[in-house]
Amino acid sequence: TQLLEQSPQFLSIQEGENLTVYCNSSSVFSSLQWYRQEPGEGPVLLVTVVTGGEVKKLKRLTFQFGDARKDSSLHITAAQPGDTGLYLCAGSHQAGTALIFGKGTTLSVSS
Amino acid sequence: EAGVTQSPTHLIKTRGQQATLRCSPISGHTSVYWYQQALGLGLQFLLWYDEGEERNRGNFPPRFSGRQFPNYSSELNVNALELEDSALYLCASSRQGAVEKLFFGSGTQLSVL
Repeated sequence: TQLLEQSPQFLSIQEGENLTVYCNSSSVFSSLQWYRQEPGEGPVLLVTVVTGGEVKKLKRLTFQFGDARKDSSLHITAAQPGDTGLYLCAGSHQAGTALIFGKGTTLSVSS
Repeated sequence: EAGVTQSPTHLIKTRGQQATLRCSPISGHTSVYWYQQALGLGLQFLLWYDEGEERNRGNFPPRFSGRQFPNYSSELNVNALELEDSALYLCASSRQGAVEKLFFGSGTQLSVL
C-alpha cells in the first residue's frame, strides 16, 4: 500500500518557470523529508520538516509541511536545468519505523 | 569523508540463482537500510539493521534476507531470483535510528534474466 501520494508524476517545463509538486497522505507523519535523485545516483536529502505549518527555504526551493502533518509541498522558483531530477518525499510515522517513500515526481527543465 | 559505498554496481543473474549485494556505511553510522527501487514502484523498504540486529522488515518474502557485520557493513541476499526482482537496490546509512536523515549509496542494478 502506497501511503504517500506524489503529484504530478511527471513535469516538463522551460527554464525560468515556477512549479509546485505535492506529497499527500491520509496518515499523520512525525516528519517528512524531500530527496532529489539524479540518474545513476542514490537520493540526496534536501530538507526535513517536523512541525505542522513549517516552511523551509533552500535557495530557490520552498518546502511546506501541512498544518495536520499529513501533506507537504515543494515549490521551485525560476527553475533551472540543474533542477532536473526525481523528487521524492518520504515520511516516518513514529520512532522505530523505517522511512516510507512516495513514487516521486520526475522533473525535466529545458533551456 | 567517504560516503555510502555499494558493490557491485551491476549484477546480472538468471532466474533461480542467488544474489549477494554489499554495502559499507558512512564512518560513525551504525544503522543500515536497504530499499528496492523498481521501475514504476518507487522506493520500497526492505530491511533495517542497527548494531548488528534486524530492527524492521518491509513487506517482502523471506527469500530476501541480510545481515550486518561488526564493522556495520551489511549484505543483502536474494535467493531463488525471479524476473520481477530486477531493480536498483539502494543502501542507506544513518546515525543510530536517525531515520529522518538517510545517506544513500549509488545502488546496485540487479538484472534477472
